[in-house]
Amino acid sequence: GDSVVQTEGQVLPSEGDSLIVNCSYETTQYPSLFWYVQYPGEGPQLHLKAMKANDKGRNKGFEAMYRKETTSFHLEKDSVQESDSAVYFCALRFYNQGGKLIFGQGTELSVKP
Amino acid sequence: GAVVSQHPSRVICKSGTSVKIECRSLDFQATTMFWYRQFPKKSLMLMATSNEGSKATYEQGVEKDKFLINHASLTLSTLTVTSAHPEDSSFYICSAIGPGKETQYFGPGTRLLVL
Repeated sequence: GDSVVQTEGQVLPSEGDSLIVNCSYETTQYPSLFWYVQYPGEGPQLHLKAMKANDKGRNKGFEAMYRKETTSFHLEKDSVQESDSAVYFCALRFYNQGGKLIFGQGTELSVKP
Repeated sequence: GAVVSQHPSRVICKSGTSVKIECRSLDFQATTMFWYRQFPKKSLMLMATSNEGSKATYEQGVEKDKFLINHASLTLSTLTVTSAHPEDSSFYICSAIGPGKETQYFGPGTRLLVL
């Protein structure tokens, strides 16, 4: 079945470190890909998106490239800040399934000052 | 734009009572809304897809008689947890497909505690 896998449950970089949060997906279809960010006690917010292969989503210094050949959508940032600390969810979506999202397990980013 | 609200943000109820949670799209019309449940430190679990003017579509394992969903207008969907029990305590989040149909926008969530 369709699935999204985030291999890290938690990452603990120091401020100024570079960051890669892994996201891989499995599907026989052609999804749109998203990263959502969730702060404590709140609902998820759209962080960035890519609608088709080779698209790159960008937001607040974060980037993610839709790589169809490796079925990946890794989230990257050159220099993280303490304010980036949150839980990040990778998700995919198919238009022909009513638009529902399939989420990964989430990665908690805790940036040390 | 594309703001989704939920009410209440937090509710505490006694076991056996029913609780209604509202989800509203404030500045757009949403023919489709979704209801999720989230446990602490866990991902979002899709419970059902709510379609305006028709019956909701429930995910496997979700009791439709337990979690009643009504989508009576293009800006409002409600989730009623009937005969709530402590195991129903959770963070319930709704979302709506925004203008352009590309993106889902999430509400701020409702924390339910059943005593």
